[in-house]
Amino acid sequence: QVQLQESGPGLVKPSQTLSLTCTVSGGSISSGGYYWSWIRQHPGKGLEWIGYIYYSGSTYYNPSLKSRVTISVDTSKNQFSLKLSSVTAADTAVYYCARVNVNYGSGSSPVDYWGQGTLVTVSS
Amino acid sequence: QSVLTQPPSVSGAPGQRVTISCTGSSSNIGAGYDVHWYQQLPGTAPKLLIYGNSNRPSGVPDRFSGSKSGTSASLAITGLQAEDEADYYCQSYDSSLSGSGVVFGGGTKLTVL
Repeated sequence: QVQLQESGPGLVKPSQTLSLTCTVSGGSISSGGYYWSWIRQHPGKGLEWIGYIYYSGSTYYNPSLKSRVTISVDTSKNQFSLKLSSVTAADTAVYYCARVNVNYGSGSSPVDYWGQGTLVTVSS
Repeated sequence: QSVLTQPPSVSGAPGQRVTISCTGSSSNIGAGYDVHWYQQLPGTAPKLLIYGNSNRPSGVPDRFSGSKSGTSASLAITGLQAEDEADYYCQSYDSSLSGSGVVFGGGTKLTVL
């Protein structure tokens, strides 16, 4: 059973960089067929895709966040990470790491495993 | 404003059937991209409910079903139970000129009366 666990600061100051790491267990990030993703949910709101990365390092970002987002992967640690720069209060949200299964779906792949989520608050 | 449009809320009595719509456009659902559905119980992460328009992952009751036609998709829940009270999200892929990527609906809150 694949498990994902987010870790990182729960409080970030405005203008700083939000950094989160997702540790994957029960499966290898290096196995093909999956994209490793970050998704966020503003308090009381819907889901917003941030971006994802393949184990090879290829990345795909939400166009609306692309200028501020960097997703990286460390296959030796079975982890992938998110950096979101120049944060404001509007970036306060629950951040989920997740696995996108490209073996399912035609051109559009589902998220089949989610982390429990971590609340990140942007405040001074 | 979400790329995929869902009704903010739906409700039904136990045992009834409810449907949740997900309306897109020619750059996402209408372009042939599959639709997936998620159930999010209060305080928990979303859970995959339907993938590839109409397929259920192992463990999801057959009371849940999905369909897709044209630029829209629907999630149907039959034999409504109290434990079905949750938020439901549709997801697809969008390839518009302004950029492409994963898109979600705004979510629908299901209330079991």
